[in-house]
Amino acid sequence: GAVVSQHPSWVICKSGTSVKIECRSLDFQATTMFWYRQFPKQSLMLMATSNEGSKATYEQGVEKDKFLINHASLTLSTLTVTSAHPEDSSFYICSARGQVGTGELFFGEGSRLTVL
Amino acid sequence: DAKTTQPNSMESNEEEPVHLPCNHSTISGTDYIHWYRQLPSQGPEYVIHGLTSNVNNRMASLAIAEDRKSSTLILHRATLRDAAVYYCILSRSGGSNYKLTFGKGTLLTVNP
Repeated sequence: GAVVSQHPSWVICKSGTSVKIECRSLDFQATTMFWYRQFPKQSLMLMATSNEGSKATYEQGVEKDKFLINHASLTLSTLTVTSAHPEDSSFYICSARGQVGTGELFFGEGSRLTVL
Repeated sequence: DAKTTQPNSMESNEEEPVHLPCNHSTISGTDYIHWYRQLPSQGPEYVIHGLTSNVNNRMASLAIAEDRKSSTLILHRATLRDAAVYYCILSRSGGSNYKLTFGKGTLLTVNP
């Protein structure tokens, strides 16, 4: 099946710094990717929909200036957590749909961010 | 989005079948029923999806009630590797940008 890869799988940073997480579709083209965040013992929360070549669509309550999303190519979307703070520590997961109409969503392995 | 209701947790024994229920009484005619599962510290994994008819694949079976207000994910022989959180999600058909909204899911424990 289709594969979605995230990098890095884990990152530790100091408060106030910015962190970039990459999401790649390895064997298919993804015009749309989705970014989720998951806190411990909670479910996944959709943050934004990333569209290739256009601006991302953010869910209500998600700060677009803090979570910068870039989808410059059909195989790569990036999420940058700007000026990270300890409360941004979370498990960030991206996903992409392999083919229009199939219904199946492929998820990355997730990136665990710890802000000190 | 139409909502789904699942039990918080279920327990099973290895090698036995598992039936994971999901209620979706407000489902609309164009909503597909999706099931994903998430193992600890991993991204979710697609299990199965369907619209009206029962569906089978190598991982599981999906039984959909005739009125579509409920469905059941069936793992025919549970293994320890099936221990995960199972999410039942409704999503509209068509297009590449329709999103999946996750609920709390059911935590499945498999006993050896």
